[in-house]
Amino acid sequence: DIQMTQSPSTLSASIGDRVTITCRASQNINKWLTWYQQKPGKAPRLLIYRASSLETWIPSRFSGSASGTEFTLTISSLQPDDYATYYCQQYHSYPYTFGQGTNIDIK
Amino acid sequence: QVHLVESGGGVVQPGKSLRLSCAASGFTFRGFAMHWVRQAPGKGLEWVASVSYDGKNENYAESVKGRFTISRDNSNNTLYLQMSSLRTEDTAVFYCGRDAGDQGYVDNWGQGTLLIVSS
Repeated sequence: DIQMTQSPSTLSASIGDRVTITCRASQNINKWLTWYQQKPGKAPRLLIYRASSLETWIPSRFSGSASGTEFTLTISSLQPDDYATYYCQQYHSYPYTFGQGTNIDIK
Repeated sequence: QVHLVESGGGVVQPGKSLRLSCAASGFTFRGFAMHWVRQAPGKGLEWVASVSYDGKNENYAESVKGRFTISRDNSNNTLYLQMSSLRTEDTAVFYCGRDAGDQGYVDNWGQGTLLIVSS
């Protein structure tokens, strides 16, 4: 199985901060990676697919990048609506696997 | 727009069976693969199972293989997850999700249904 190692597990940030979350795959996944946002009690929401493609209606302050087996989600200027938990997921091969999640809270 | 509504969750004893349903609307259901993803209380997301658009191909997480069966009824726009030999560790919110056009990831999610396995 492909392991997805996500860091940090928690992150404290202020409004306007630039935030970066990293996800590392245990093997090559050819950029078959998504990022989801989840708020308490809600279903996840797709932010980015294919490592760097922004889903429709997602604000441009979200971006994704890839370098080998390391993937990054960046929020360029954190907004109040962005306090949530973020997950990466590989869909290169079954079983699909998620990272452990990163919770962004208020600093 | 895409609408997915899960149902069938509840409290069940260990070893028992239960079937979850996911009613789909707002898109051509028979044209999309579908997924089940679960989340144990306070934990992260775990992919459970996927089924192809025509129901002919299924894939499962090792943790549920042999106990869970994913299926679909394209004439009634409904996805199912038949669960048997339930364990306490199966307690979770179960989400159904539409695949983004046979890509492998979920682009639309239901609101989830809670399964509690407890004696």
